[in-house]
Amino acid sequence: GQQVMQIPQYQHVQEGEDFTTYCNSSTTLSNIQWYKQRPGGHPVFLIQLVKSGEVKKQKRLTFQFGEAKKNSSLHITATQTTDVGTYFCAGPRGSNYKLTFGKGTLLTVNP
Amino acid sequence: DAGITQSPRHKVTETGTPVTLRCHQTENHRYMYWYRQDPGHGLRLIHYSYGVKDTDKGEVSDGYSVSRSKTEDFLLTLESATSSQTSVYFCAISPTGDRTDTQYFGPGTRLTVL
Repeated sequence: GQQVMQIPQYQHVQEGEDFTTYCNSSTTLSNIQWYKQRPGGHPVFLIQLVKSGEVKKQKRLTFQFGEAKKNSSLHITATQTTDVGTYFCAGPRGSNYKLTFGKGTLLTVNP
Repeated sequence: DAGITQSPRHKVTETGTPVTLRCHQTENHRYMYWYRQDPGHGLRLIHYSYGVKDTDKGEVSDGYSVSRSKTEDFLLTLESATSSQTSVYFCAISPTGDRTDTQYFGPGTRLTVL
């Protein structure tokens, strides 16, 4: 079945450093979504990418969707302690209704 | 945050006992989902519902059943809890279930099976 793989599983950075997490799908995706989960919290939707090669920005966060629509990345510039958490990518699975989530990348930031 | 609540928020139970987790939404969304989250596994879909009394299995449905008698409530039942079902359970909702639909998550229930 469809798989969504994320790397790295963990990333520890010093505050101010950049961070990137990558998401790869075994099949072409119609769209990809990104979620953030703070420690002890629940996943919260960040953004959705739909078009091939699409790039979207949210302040210090840059999201990209690959040309082949099989991979995506999230880049954070100049990390802050508020960026701490697990970042998940997710793509639609099969028919409507269901998402396949990657296993997530846990970001920790040393102040 | 979307109007989603889960109850209980924490539960400790013993192996072999039945457990029911409740998800309640005030958004009148059609689709509801139950996930479990375990270290190293991310979020895995247990069951989902696409309407009142309409449910289907996810990827890890063994040992779980669900019911949805009202739009706002989606119940997850562990008929006979096992230690492998110790996990954090999240409910999620989405308005239409369309491929571009966003899912909104509840606060989660931490279940420990001794």
